Amino acid sequence: DGGITQSPKYLFRKEGQNVTLSCEQNLNHDAMYWYRQDPGQGLRLIYYSQIVNDFQKGDIAEGYSVSREKKESFPLTVTSAQKNPTAFYLCASSILSGVTYEQYFGPGTRLTVT
Amino acid sequence: AQSVAQPEDQVNVAEGNPLTVKCTYSVSGNPYLFWYVQYPNRGLQFLLKYITGDNLVKGSYGFEAEFNKSQTSFHLKKPSALVSDSALYFCAVRVPTNTGGFKTIFGAGTRLFVKA
Repeated sequence: DGGITQSPKYLFRKEGQNVTLSCEQNLNHDAMYWYRQDPGQGLRLIYYSQIVNDFQKGDIAEGYSVSREKKESFPLTVTSAQKNPTAFYLCASSILSGVTYEQYFGPGTRLTVT
Repeated sequence: AQSVAQPEDQVNVAEGNPLTVKCTYSVSGNPYLFWYVQYPNRGLQFLLKYITGDNLVKGSYGFEAEFNKSQTSFHLKKPSALVSDSALYFCAVRVPTNTGGFKTIFGAGTRLFVKA
């Protein structure tokens, strides 16, 4: 997990509340990503950013928002509009957004909404 | 549609035996293929990748993968399994997006159990 930190490791929220998940990297990577992991479904892309102040929707962006004000940081907000927010959230980064570059992952945040 | 399939939810192997975790893909254009491993409650770790060149790719922890273009497969292999190899393995393919960037499509994952 080296170089990417996610906090907190576990997060509990009441339904209807927005919650922000932190992701910080010190790898000097340009590209950053947010994924959601559900049992048996692999990873699904929520948002990605190739450069500061720019980001793109992934496959399941509805109910989520992001910002990329600094190269090192890519926080994810899970809004009350997300119908089923309980999941394991993974942040990742890569040197560039190019096709040959592998991704480095943080340790994840497990969000439980009741 | 571009996709990655891991046909086995779980693979069981005895320690010391060879292991294979299967992956097939469907992409337009050249495939850029990756394997990642995930230990419980952790993020994914990169194992190896195929970009071009030799069809047999070697990676971390003694793993290797064989790219087969005619069968559109990229199976992960290891000659002698260890109990510590027990984890969740993901095959992935990198594809271009319609906004000029790239994204990674992951398979659903295969859980490997290595029994002592």
